[in-house]
Amino acid sequence: AQKITQTQPGMFVQEKEAVTLDCTYDTSDQSYGLFWYKQPSSGEMIFLIYQGSYDEQNATEGRYSLNFQKARKSANLVISASQLGDSAMYFCAMREDPQGGSEKLVFGKGTKLTVNP
Amino acid sequence: EPEVTQTPSHQVTQMGQEVILRCVPISNHLYFYWYRQILGQKVEFLVSFYNNEISEKSEIFDDQFSVERPDGSNFTLKIRSTKLEDSAMYFCASSGARGRETQYFGPGTRLLVL
Repeated sequence: AQKITQTQPGMFVQEKEAVTLDCTYDTSDQSYGLFWYKQPSSGEMIFLIYQGSYDEQNATEGRYSLNFQKARKSANLVISASQLGDSAMYFCAMREDPQGGSEKLVFGKGTKLTVNP
Repeated sequence: EPEVTQTPSHQVTQMGQEVILRCVPISNHLYFYWYRQILGQKVEFLVSFYNNEISEKSEIFDDQFSVERPDGSNFTLKIRSTKLEDSAMYFCASSGARGRETQYFGPGTRLLVL
């Protein structure tokens, strides 16, 4: 079974509008962390935002916010006021049981976001 | 702002040759990782390294792979005898501690095996 599912292979948004990128996850652990990374066409992986499973509030970092719905096991990324430079691949990732020893990140297949002028 | 660096940015090699990919993690970080991304596919974990030993590895990380921290700043991934299917982008990452710490990725080394 997929640990991280990103159902949108591609998304389009108009400049200055908001966009939501979907991510659902599968884990039986109580303690885990969720991450979003951005990969521009140049290839590097840029950390955007983190949400811990015990965090009561949704994470925010500037124009990025994470809509965390624990009961539904979803961790959607919301980008407000899209900019042309936001065009990239976006990956959702999970680290299970961060206190118990495993440090590996498990990634989804990604969503390619295109921002139109 | 401190960042993870990787060299080379691109490497082309012949099948069967050995390659060494180099990384300089963020200076006060203690945990180091290698991931790979085959073209068009998702990022896959290879190995994590802490306190001069492997702390976790995936089934991809077989006997032809090895990692080393030869000095206080470098972290290397060696592929002993490259295969065509080793062609991928290889990312190094580092984090400051266990638990909630974020893994910061380097820019990657694009390896092409011919």
